[in-house]
Amino acid sequence: GNSVTQMEGPVTLSEEAFLTINCTYTATGYPSLFWYVQYPGEGLQLLLKATKADDKGSNKGFEATYRKETTSFHLEKGSVQVSDSAVYFCALSGSQGGSEKLVFGKGMKLTVNP
Amino acid sequence: DTEVTQTPKHLVMGMTNKKSLKCEQHMGHRAMYWYKQKAKKPPELMFVYSYEKLSINESVPSRFSPECPNSSLLNLHLHALQPEDSALYLCASSQAVGTGARLADTGELFFGEGSRLTVL
Repeated sequence: GNSVTQMEGPVTLSEEAFLTINCTYTATGYPSLFWYVQYPGEGLQLLLKATKADDKGSNKGFEATYRKETTSFHLEKGSVQVSDSAVYFCALSGSQGGSEKLVFGKGMKLTVNP
Repeated sequence: DTEVTQTPKHLVMGMTNKKSLKCEQHMGHRAMYWYKQKAKKPPELMFVYSYEKLSINESVPSRFSPECPNSSLLNLHLHALQPEDSALYLCASSQAVGTGARLADTGELFFGEGSRLTVL
């Protein structure tokens, strides 16, 4: 079945540090890939997405490229801010019973200190 | 309006109680979801409704009973829960299959802030 493996952390960085969160996937067919973010006390929000190989998703300074050859979708940001402190989930889309669902990785908690 | 509203935000119940969680969205989405999230874990899918019909049940125990009264509302009825059912319950919505805007294309589940359930 479909699955996602990502760095679990937790990770603590200083403000303006470089961030990479690794994500690899196993899937049949051609899934779409996503990064969701969960800020403290909130639900999840879509951060970025890529729907086909070599697509690059970007938002709020974060980027990730869909690499089919390495089955990866690593999240990067060049300079993190305190406000980026959150839990980050890598996810992929899959189909079941005529409906679609997301399969999430285990999540990585990021803390950014001033 | 891109909001999914969940009530109550917090719920404490005994193992013999019956309670309900409610979710509402007014984005015209025809797919709605219940997820369960334990602390420091990813969300786990419980149910999916598509066009008000149950399309996915991830082998959830019958003490959880979902209901979709109309395209904007989703309920989760709770009865005879166990302490291990304590968790954050997240509702989400998306465009449904067949609308021309598949989840895989739009890429977005819209989540509510969740209902934090404690079972004593």
